[in-house]
Amino acid sequence: DIQMTQSPSSLSASVGDRVTITCRASQRISTYLNWYQHKPGEAPKLLIYAASSLESGVPSRFSGSGSGTDFTLTISSLQPEDFATYYCQQSYNTPPYNFGPGTKLEIK
Amino acid sequence: QVQLVQSGGEVKKPGASVKVSCTASGYTFTSYYIHWVRQAPGQGLEWMGGINPSSGSTSSAQKFQGRLTVTRDTSTSTVYMELSSLRSEDTAVYYCARRSGRHNWSDGGYYYYFMDVWGKGTTVTVSS
Repeated sequence: DIQMTQSPSSLSASVGDRVTITCRASQRISTYLNWYQHKPGEAPKLLIYAASSLESGVPSRFSGSGSGTDFTLTISSLQPEDFATYYCQQSYNTPPYNFGPGTKLEIK
Repeated sequence: QVQLVQSGGEVKKPGASVKVSCTASGYTFTSYYIHWVRQAPGQGLEWMGGINPSSGSTSSAQKFQGRLTVTRDTSTSTVYMELSSLRSEDTAVYYCARRSGRHNWSDGGYYYYFMDVWGKGTTVTVSS
């Protein structure tokens, strides 16, 4: 199975900051990589699929990049509603649809 | 609108089974796989398994094999997740999610798959 790791595990930032979260796959997965946002008490929300394709309705301040084993999610200017936990997920060799361990983004 | 509606929370004793439902609406039920993902307290998202509502074929994570049963009822557009031999570590919020795909034209017949519609979650508590 393909294992996913993320860094950092948690991050403190301020409104307006530019933030980058990194995801790494245990083997090459081309661009078969998704990003989700998850807030307490809510369902996870798809942000990006195919490493860099923005899901419909997701603000353009979110962007994704990468290919192979290394990927990044960038939020260009943090808004108050962006404080949440972010997960990457591989869809290259499925099942299983393994998620990364998550990155908790907190207010500084 | 497209939505997945899950059944209500459950409290179960260790060793028991739980069955959670997920009813789809707003799209053609048999055209999209449904998957189950859970989040235990303080933990991350964990993929459990899924079903092709058209054929009924299923897949599951190795750690749940033998305990997880996913079924569907096409007459009611409902998918069921049953987890047996419950233990305290199964206390979690269980989500169903629809799997969608986009064709990767630069990679032959492969699809980019992702989970684009989620249920609100069902809390399952396992306690004696």
